[in-house]
Amino acid sequence: DARVTQTPRHKVTEMGQEVTMRCQPILGHNTVFWYRQTMMQGLELLAYFRNRAPLDDSGMPKDRFSAEMPDATLATLKIQPSEPRDSAVYFCASGSWERPPQHFGDGTRLSIL
Amino acid sequence: ILNVEQSPQSLHVQEGDSTNFTCSFPSSNFYALHWYRWETAKSPEALFVMTLNGDEKKKGRISATLNTKEGYSYLYIKGSQPEDSATYLCAPEETSGSRLTFGEGTQLTVNP
Repeated sequence: DARVTQTPRHKVTEMGQEVTMRCQPILGHNTVFWYRQTMMQGLELLAYFRNRAPLDDSGMPKDRFSAEMPDATLATLKIQPSEPRDSAVYFCASGSWERPPQHFGDGTRLSIL
Repeated sequence: ILNVEQSPQSLHVQEGDSTNFTCSFPSSNFYALHWYRWETAKSPEALFVMTLNGDEKKKGRISATLNTKEGYSYLYIKGSQPEDSATYLCAPEETSGSRLTFGEGTQLTVNP
């Protein structure tokens, strides 16, 4: 079965370091979503893309977070500089505008010390 | 951002019990309603996507109904099993391919 692939699965780093999370969407999917799982807010949408164009990144702190899709097979989420409050599980999901639903990757568990 | 409410927040049942939970969402600007099952330490797994008022979907012992006019969906589990223990999320979609707004989920625990 096709899957959304996220790397790394786990990341522990110190405050102030740059963190890059990667997502390979399912081949043929034209929408990509970044979510963050937190204790307080459940599953929170950070940004999403359709046909590689960013459609909505209003859920993302712009001063330190950035999301890009350099090509159709790769989406990245960067945090620079990272802070302890960024510790969470970050999920990527991909979907097809014509054929829902969204399929989730296994997530990146991020810990900022 | 849509206001999505799920109830109850958590639920404990005995193996073999049947159960159901509710998802409420704004009935205006509706395209589809998604249900996901989310086991601890795993990623959310799609259960159903429903678009039409009166839609009913079924997958094994799990089924869901949709009322778009009043803005609610029910998820039913018949004869709950311990492996059904998970958080069940609903998420309305306003237009095709747009963002999903997830509710906070109903956390189901099925005791053997």
